[in-house]
Amino acid sequence: DTVLTQSPALAVSPGERVSISCRASEGVNSYMHWYQQKPGQQPKLLIYKASNLASGVPARFSGSGSGTDFTLTIDPVEADDTATYFCQQSWNDITFGSGTKLEIK
Amino acid sequence: EVQLVESGGGLVQPGRSLKLSCAASGFTFSNYYMAWVRQAPKKGLEWVATISTSGSRTYYPDSVKGRFTISRDNAKSSLYLQMNSLKSEDTATYYCASMGISYVMDAWGQGASVTVSS
Repeated sequence: DTVLTQSPALAVSPGERVSISCRASEGVNSYMHWYQQKPGQQPKLLIYKASNLASGVPARFSGSGSGTDFTLTIDPVEADDTATYFCQQSWNDITFGSGTKLEIK
Repeated sequence: EVQLVESGGGLVQPGRSLKLSCAASGFTFSNYYMAWVRQAPKKGLEWVATISTSGSRTYYPDSVKGRFTISRDNAKSSLYLQMNSLKSEDTATYYCASMGISYVMDAWGQGASVTVSS
């Protein structure tokens, strides 16, 4: 299985820039996607194929990377961005990262 | 507007069976691969099953292979997950999701809660 490793948590202030990383145990080409999950809600697609913004997602969100190292960037961060962010690869079956919980101070 | 509505969750004893349903609307269901993804309490996301547009191809991770069966009825715009020989570790919220290009989960239901306990 392709294991995706994410940092467990981050805390930033509104207006700052935050980068959330996801490292794959083997190359996944550009088949990396990002989701936002707010407490008590279902996940929501933010970024697909590493860098493509999903429909209706604010341009404050962006994605980059290829191969094994990927980054989701939020700039500027807003209070409403408090959530857990998951990466998912679809190059070798489907696996998810364990999630990064983002706290807005 | 895309809508995915799961149903059929509940409390079930270990070793028993349960079938989840997902009613889809707002898009051409028969054109999309579909998937089930689960989330154990306070845990991350785990892919459970994928089905092709016609239903002829299905895919599972080892953790559920042989116990779970995904199926669909395109005439009813409905997705199903038959879960047999349930274990306590199957306790989770089960989400149905439509799959877009590159097997991305581009829309999700609100989830159905399944608790496996005696």
